[in-house]
Amino acid sequence: AQSVAQPEDQVNVAEGNPLTVKCTYSVSGNPYLFWYVQYPNRGLQFLLKYITGDNLVKGSYGFEAEFNKSQTSFHLKKPSALVSDSALYFCAVRDSWGKFQFGAGTQVVVTP
Amino acid sequence: DAGVIQSPRHEVTEMGQEVTLRCKPISGHDYLFWYRQTMMRGLELLIYFNNNVPIDDSGMPEDRFSAKMPNASFSTLKIQPSEPRDSAVYFCASSSTPGGAGREKLFFGSGTQLSVL
Repeated sequence: AQSVAQPEDQVNVAEGNPLTVKCTYSVSGNPYLFWYVQYPNRGLQFLLKYITGDNLVKGSYGFEAEFNKSQTSFHLKKPSALVSDSALYFCAVRDSWGKFQFGAGTQVVVTP
Repeated sequence: DAGVIQSPRHEVTEMGQEVTLRCKPISGHDYLFWYRQTMMRGLELLIYFNNNVPIDDSGMPEDRFSAKMPNASFSTLKIQPSEPRDSAVYFCASSSTPGGAGREKLFFGSGTQLSVL
């Protein structure tokens, strides 16, 4: 069975500093990996995905993620965080049957 | 496209009442998912459909919950009878079959905030 783990409930970072949100996965076969962001009282919005190809994936709002097959990780990164990046971030994996499984979410708090 | 449309946005009901949540997926999408989000349990997958057929309903909490997808453009999630512990935000999401560029993404509706008193 597939699973996704986000080990941190919350990440605190000062504005302008680099931001990293961790994600590890377990899935049989080739993984389809995603990051979503949720702002208060909103649905989840797509940030980026890894399907195949380059291990470094670039997405919306300056975010990127690095796929590491040996460590089964897909960490989300942003070189310089903004206060407006404060939100709830979800990592997700999609299996070959089409099922999306989400992690528990990581609350990002960016302080001015 | 208007995106995934859920109704109602907010529902307040009393314990024991029947609640029906509705979802219209994006046209052309053949996967539909129902998720529930709470502070305690995070985002839980309740059930998902492919081509209107339920594929995995192992996340449905109990027999009080049922979901249907009578056609490609409409799905319902029903709770009967409702209980206070069902209070949560319920999201519907849709997607295409993996394999085409940009088709793997999951698109979410705005959710239904359910409060059972």
